Amino acid sequence: EAQVTQNPRYLITVTGKKLTVTCSQNMNHEYMSWYRQDPGLGLRQIYYSMNVEVTDKGDVPEGYKVSRKEKRNFPLILESPSPNQTSLYFCASSFRYEQFFGPGTRLTVL
Amino acid sequence: QQQVKQSPQSLIVQKGGISIINCAYENTAFDYFPWYQQFPGKGPALLIAIRPDVSEKKEGRFTISFNKSAKQFSLHIMDSQPGDSATYFCAARTSGSRLTFGEGTQLTVNP
Repeated sequence: EAQVTQNPRYLITVTGKKLTVTCSQNMNHEYMSWYRQDPGLGLRQIYYSMNVEVTDKGDVPEGYKVSRKEKRNFPLILESPSPNQTSLYFCASSFRYEQFFGPGTRLTVL
Repeated sequence: QQQVKQSPQSLIVQKGGISIINCAYENTAFDYFPWYQQFPGKGPALLIAIRPDVSEKKEGRFTISFNKSAKQFSLHIMDSQPGDSATYFCAARTSGSRLTFGEGTQLTVNP
């Protein structure tokens, strides 16, 4: 089944404790991206990647890092999470114009 | 700065009614306008999309109307059903595969 998977689906952590949210796609897509979803703000892009080893900032990159060492994986790293990063996070991969979203990761930073 | 503005934030309609969600944009370089549908606990999924060289696109009960001169586009859901209850996002393509999303509209269709 063609899909984008994310792990974990839910995470509660404390301020300053480094964490990684994994994202993997099995569709051989070159383009991948991370979004955060907040009430009233819609989906805002954090980082995106056009291909392996090619990443770039989206609209809200502060406090986040990404890497793209393999085509299928695009992890999101929060090196020192803060409460304002409490949000619902989505990974997506894209074929031409259509983006395929993962199921989401709900992160709470205390 | 929100480049795509969406309204209303929430919408309640009766079964069988018409749901209308509106979006406005500023960047004339946008060249592809999709709508995504999101059910609770799921990621958004592409519903319908339009290019600016056409004024309307219809797929089943879902229609996009596009007004290039006004820089506005809207989603119309005819004969709305309770199963249509979801959050809807409009979006616009900026470059490559990048999308800018609107704020979202939570639609509730009452039986």
